[in-house]
Amino acid sequence: KQEVTQIPAALSVPEGENLVLNCSFTDSAIYNLQWFRQDPGKGLTSLLLIQSSQREQTSGRLNASLDKSSGRSTLYIAASQPGDSATYLCAVRLNDMRFGAGTRLTVKP
Amino acid sequence: DTGVSQDPRHKITKRGQNVTFRCDPISEHNRLYWYRQTLGQGPEFLTYFQNEAQLEKSRLLSDRFSAERPKGSFSTLEIQRTEQGDSAMYLCASKELAGGPQQETQYFGPGTRLLVL
Repeated sequence: KQEVTQIPAALSVPEGENLVLNCSFTDSAIYNLQWFRQDPGKGLTSLLLIQSSQREQTSGRLNASLDKSSGRSTLYIAASQPGDSATYLCAVRLNDMRFGAGTRLTVKP
Repeated sequence: DTGVSQDPRHKITKRGQNVTFRCDPISEHNRLYWYRQTLGQGPEFLTYFQNEAQLEKSRLLSDRFSAERPKGSFSTLEIQRTEQGDSAMYLCASKELAGGPQQETQYFGPGTRLLVL
């Protein structure tokens, strides 16, 4: 059974710092991996999707990498801003989508 | 089109009552998914539809839960004889039938938060 783990569970940084969120999964037989953002009490917003054949994807200040063989992905956020404060979830897909519990990020002004 | 919508946004009910939630997906999306999310956890897959056909159901979906998508557009999720353990956020997502990398993205609604007293 696929297990997805995200470390750390919570992270607090001052504005302007670069940071890395980690995601690991136990079964490397995935179709793709996706990073989402969730604001409190809201639905999920897709940030980046990496196909299993890809190594990374970039969008603005966000960069996601995928090492399928080791079962790991990282989400790099450059020059963090208070508006980046949210919970970040990673999810892997084969037949269905399995989510981690998320990392709750707080960026302090 | 403004995205996936869900109704109601919040529902408080007493144990034993039935509740029904509605999801309106993005209009051209063939696939519609239901998830349940409890506090501090990621969403858990419940079921999905391709057009009007319900193709997969999770073991989380007990016989008290039923989902429909009668015309391949909006979907309803009904929970009968609610229990306190059903308290959670119920999320709906939709996507186009896979036709390329961009079509792999699921678009989520704002969710319905259920509290069973």
